[in-house]
Amino acid sequence: EVQLVESGGGLVQPGGSLRLSCAASGVTFSTYWMNWVRQAPGKGLEWVANIKQDGSQKYYVDSVKGRFTISRESAKNSLYLQMNSLRAEDTAVYFCNLTPIPAAGDFWGQGTLVTVSS
Amino acid sequence: QSVLTQPPSVSAAPGQKVTISCYGSSSNIGNDYVYWYQQLPGTAPKLLIYEDNKRPSGIFDRFSGSRSGTSATLGITGLQTGDEADYYCATWDSSLSAYVFGTGTKVAVL
Repeated sequence: EVQLVESGGGLVQPGGSLRLSCAASGVTFSTYWMNWVRQAPGKGLEWVANIKQDGSQKYYVDSVKGRFTISRESAKNSLYLQMNSLRAEDTAVYFCNLTPIPAAGDFWGQGTLVTVSS
Repeated sequence: QSVLTQPPSVSAAPGQKVTISCYGSSSNIGNDYVYWYQQLPGTAPKLLIYEDNKRPSGIFDRFSGSRSGTSATLGITGLQTGDEADYYCATWDSSLSAYVFGTGTKVAVL
């Protein structure tokens, strides 16, 4: 069974940093693109970033470019999101997502809440 | 502001049909497959339709998708109370080099 478990969220002051982690199990992690998606309280979904299997390609939504860095470590079956220069508008639940084979469905973590506030 | 526009809400009685539209442009829907996600209250999203009109295993055939030009549509037939959720379209936008979600549509069963 595929499981994704996020961690690392919490309360941080504006301008601060956080590193989110997503631990994957039950899947050959290194085989697939991985995504971070966020959802601000009461708002819709927003894709944040994704990363290719070998980490050679990364894409970001404009609002986080230069501030967030996505990375992965296959040896630990883990995905990361380093978030710097955090702003109030980054407050959201952050989900990691994996879609190995669309015909078989996709997988999401339970989400981790990031709150940026003074 | 999302580049994909959906109606904020749709509703119908149990057993009826609803359709949800998703409007984009030539750089997104007009250029790539559309995906649809269902998000039940308090849960993570779930892939409902992929590559415009395909259903992952385990998704009932009451859900269907289509794409034409720069718009896409999700249809739900035989509406059930368990279908009350938020629904999002999504696709890759080649101009933004980013995956984009629609604004989301809340489905209510009257």
